[in-house]
Amino acid sequence: GAGVSQSPRYKVAKRGQDVALRCDPISGHVSLFWYQQALGQGPEFLTYFQNEAQLDKSGLPSDRFFAERPEGSVSTLKIQRTQQEDSAVYLCASSLGSKTGELFFGEGSRLTVL
Amino acid sequence: GDSVTQMEGPVTLSEEAFLTINCTYTATGYPSLFWYVQYPGEGLQLLLKATKADDKGSNKGFEATYRKETTSFHLEKGSVQVSDSAVYFCALSDNTGNQFYFGTGTSLTVIP
Repeated sequence: GAGVSQSPRYKVAKRGQDVALRCDPISGHVSLFWYQQALGQGPEFLTYFQNEAQLDKSGLPSDRFFAERPEGSVSTLKIQRTQQEDSAVYLCASSLGSKTGELFFGEGSRLTVL
Repeated sequence: GDSVTQMEGPVTLSEEAFLTINCTYTATGYPSLFWYVQYPGEGLQLLLKATKADDKGSNKGFEATYRKETTSFHLEKGSVQVSDSAVYFCALSDNTGNQFYFGTGTSLTVIP
């Protein structure tokens, strides 16, 4: 597709369930980022891939969060044993990977943990 | 570390009023600076950018100038429209382009 695609758009999980969020970046984009956006806040960095390599995962809040991009294209963010504080919008963005390049964002996946 | 601080909202203006949203940054090296906009129900999209000191980014009547001496990148528009109602985020990318830092966002509502 022409833009960054994320699925599902909305996910409701019971506390303790595992969830998987998918991101399909713009074709040819080397860099892929995951952000967490709480209500009324700006995006907070989670992790970054360059092709299939996860170069920075310093923003992942706990070891329950895991991200992968095995073929350097589609990425999945997995959250195990979800907690209420995980409720947020999870944003995926991709870019060509240069310092001056812009990020292209998907519409996000809104996760609500009950 | 690198960071961005922007004016807190919400901001409510009448149509055709002048808009300023302040943004200051802290960074090592030479970051690129961005303004992103999020319209209701949509994802973030780039509004404008500036990649070096004294550059002016502009788009859709919005402008921002990269001021290294004051570490600022304030967003301005001379005459806002109802369709400008959105949340605006200031952001910077570090020297490598591998890390982007966002402000907390400023919600703008323009009333007719």
